[in-house]
Amino acid sequence: QAQMVESGGGVVQPGGSLRLSCTASGFTFSHFGLHWVRQAPGKGLEWVAFIRYDGTYTFYVDSVKGRFTISRDNSKNTLYLQMNSLRSEDTAVYYCAKDRDMAAFYMDVWGKGATVTVSS
Amino acid sequence: DIQMTQSPSTLSASVGDRVTITCRASQNIKSWLAWYHQSPGRAPKVLISKASNLESGVPSRFSGSGSGTEFTLTISSLQPEDLGTFYCQQYNGNSALTFGGGTKVEIK
Repeated sequence: QAQMVESGGGVVQPGGSLRLSCTASGFTFSHFGLHWVRQAPGKGLEWVAFIRYDGTYTFYVDSVKGRFTISRDNSKNTLYLQMNSLRSEDTAVYYCAKDRDMAAFYMDVWGKGATVTVSS
Repeated sequence: DIQMTQSPSTLSASVGDRVTITCRASQNIKSWLAWYHQSPGRAPKVLISKASNLESGVPSRFSGSGSGTEFTLTISSLQPEDLGTFYCQQYNGNSALTFGGGTKVEIK
């Protein structure tokens, strides 16, 4: 059964950095695109970033461009999100999610989420 | 970016009721639309892709329709486990993926 587990969440000061990891199992990791999606407290879902199955193509929501970097290590079945210059508005639960295909651009397997709080 | 607008934002219905949720796109997205359900405190689960394709394992009481800019999710007979929030999501081309604001479903 496909599964994804996030880690690395926590409390960070504005301007700080944090790296989230997402370890996957139960499917051929290197065959699928991957996403990060976040949800601010009491709010709806916001897509953050996508990476193609081979890591050669990425794209981001405008609000995180230049601050966040999505990457993957197919040898470790792990997805990452490096978050720099964090702002209070980045406070959210961050979900990693598997694309339905190499680049179908919708998500069929989700992790349980990692909480990121940006506060002084 | 393409904006997605859902209505209503909340609805209250009884078990067994037929429920309809609408999602409108700010530009033509053809049929590149997915629907998700998020139970309270849980991660979202995909229900429908390409506007009307029921994902594997999803109960047949869920159905989707529409194309272009207007889409509908219908639950033919509301069940207690349908409590939560439903989201649409467009995935048209290389534009940023965007979700609708959500429709919170309460059981009377």
